[in-house]
Amino acid sequence: DTAVSQTPKYLVTQMGNDKSIKCEQNLGHDTMYWYKQDSKKFLKIMFSYNNKELIINETVPNRFSPKSPDKAHLNLHINSLELGDSAVYFCASSQGHRDYSYEQYFGPGTRLTVT
Amino acid sequence: SQQGEEDPQALSIQEGENATMNCSYKTSINNLQWYRQNSGRGLVHLILIRSNEREKHSGRLRVTLDTSKKSSSLLITASRAADTASYFCATWGNKLVFGAGTILRVKS
Repeated sequence: DTAVSQTPKYLVTQMGNDKSIKCEQNLGHDTMYWYKQDSKKFLKIMFSYNNKELIINETVPNRFSPKSPDKAHLNLHINSLELGDSAVYFCASSQGHRDYSYEQYFGPGTRLTVT
Repeated sequence: SQQGEEDPQALSIQEGENATMNCSYKTSINNLQWYRQNSGRGLVHLILIRSNEREKHSGRLRVTLDTSKKSSSLLITASRAADTASYFCATWGNKLVFGAGTILRVKS
């Protein structure tokens, strides 16, 4: 069984389009995350949800909107895609987030290419 | 920023040799974690060391943490070709902040 899954794995789209990436975890974790990894492999957190509540919202353009329908799912919707949005987006989950971090479990990533 | 910085950026060794990667960070942390990323894959957690710990072992991995120097090292002993990957340190203050990574290539 896949612990953290993402769909789609690859996403090629044109500038100005709107797209969504879905993430699901079957680990029973309370906390889920979205990360962006750029072409230089630099990985940066974008959002974090704990039990469907937004707890981390980094300096991300408001074209990016996360949605957590339940604690096992965290989706990422991106409006008006730009060339600079091209990257690999990773979803992750962990058991908790307070006081000290638990290890995070990462999905396989979604490679987004904006043309 | 408490982003970790890793050294070296790339490391190439022969199978059977040991590989050492270093990580430095800027602010106080609760813990430091090491992750591995194989090409085209997601990250896999390797080991977590808390700020009050100095050394931790897991199989062929040994991690040290020196909070006075704000640095950590990851030692992989008796490396294998399958250890070829990028290795990232990540520090936890109130969120996980990743370093730029070390690309390790183990030649067979």
